[in-house]
Amino acid sequence: EVQLVESGGGLVQPGGSLRLSCATSGFSFSSYWMHWVRQAPGKGLVWVSCVNSDGSATKYADSVKGRFTISRDNAKNTLYLQMNSLRAEDTAVYYCTVVGSGKPGWGQGTLVTVSS
Amino acid sequence: DIVMTQSPDSLAVSLGERATINCKSSQTILTTSNNKKSLAWYQQKPGQPPKLLMYSASTRESGVPDRFSGSGSGTDFTLTISSLQTEDVAVYYCQQYYSAPLTFGGGTKVEIK
Repeated sequence: EVQLVESGGGLVQPGGSLRLSCATSGFSFSSYWMHWVRQAPGKGLVWVSCVNSDGSATKYADSVKGRFTISRDNAKNTLYLQMNSLRAEDTAVYYCTVVGSGKPGWGQGTLVTVSS
Repeated sequence: DIVMTQSPDSLAVSLGERATINCKSSQTILTTSNNKKSLAWYQQKPGQPPKLLMYSASTRESGVPDRFSGSGSGTDFTLTISSLQTEDVAVYYCQQYYSAPLTFGGGTKVEIK
């Protein structure tokens, strides 16, 4: 069974940094692209970033480009999202997701709150 | 980027009646290598993560009641709840996973009339 467990969220001041982690199990982590998706309070689902299977290629939404960095450690089956220069509009639940064996799998999410 | 257009924004249906949600992709999301449509449907209740209902447009996820069904061809897709139950009150989203960036419909809020 695919399992994704996010951690690292919390309350941070504007301009601050956080590093999110997504620990995975139940699938061949090193074989798949991995994604971060976020959901602001009361809003819809928005893709944030993705990384290819070996970490050599990344993509970002324009809203986070230059501030967020996605990475992965295939030896630890873990996905990361380094978030710098955080803004109030980055407040959201952050989910990691994978499309494995032809269907998406999601974690439970971790809440990031950017506020002074 | 592939744009997913979902309708309606909200829907009020009587208990036991049919609810239909539509989703249109701006381009094909058919993977020719396996002839599968890269389209998922989710149900989300307040305070919970999205729950996968359907994938490959019409394959029901394990444990999902059979009153939920998905269909579609080309760029037009539908989620149908054949007989709405109280526990189906939620927001429903479609998603394409054909290509990055992953994109989502805007959501449909389903309520009891």
